Amino acid sequence: DQQVKQNSPSLSVQEGRISILNCDYTNSMFDYFLWYKKYPAEGPTFLISISSIKDKNEDGRFTVFLNKSAKHLSLHIVPSQPGDSAVYFCAASAVDTNAGKSTFGDGTTLTVKP
Amino acid sequence: DVKVTQSSRYLVKRTGEKVFLECVQDMDHENMFWYRQDPGLGLRLIYFSYDVKMKEKGDIPEGYSVSREKKERFSLILESASTNQTSMYLCASSLTGRRTQYFGPGTRLTVL
Repeated sequence: DQQVKQNSPSLSVQEGRISILNCDYTNSMFDYFLWYKKYPAEGPTFLISISSIKDKNEDGRFTVFLNKSAKHLSLHIVPSQPGDSAVYFCAASAVDTNAGKSTFGDGTTLTVKP
Repeated sequence: DVKVTQSSRYLVKRTGEKVFLECVQDMDHENMFWYRQDPGLGLRLIYFSYDVKMKEKGDIPEGYSVSREKKERFSLILESASTNQTSMYLCASSLTGRRTQYFGPGTRLTVL
């Protein structure tokens, strides 16, 4: 049973437009959510996170929205830039997990066209 | 700046060989993780450790073991490599109480 799902394997947007990446989860014990970005031949790097006590967190061009009732979160990138082209992983974590373990989605490959 | 290093970027091994993947972090993190990344399957947790000599199975531990003798080092061992273990292996670390993980660059392992 996949607890974190990213239903869109890929997304292509034009430079300057908005990119919206989606993530759904099933485990109601998840209380913290993270987005990581991964370039080819590199490890994932942390991008932005949100606690379940919030419904929005913003950092520059990146905003994450959380809808707890729908068990859905989304990452908005505005404006999108070619350098944003990467694989984006959604991750979720429960407060009682050992060692801050996270469950990851399958990833969405974002391509931003100039 | 947290730095997580992995011993090899690329590795080619033969079926049946014993394979060691090493990971070192320099930020005194208590927690360390091993994942494998396969196309369409995302990051799957193999093993993790929350302290020296402590280890716990992740979602796909079969065919793997781990060792954590020192806080900064976490090793993944493939006792007898098989072709279905061809994958990208990623190591990560985190501080106790924090959810953010810091990843190494990955090791692309090919088992022939």
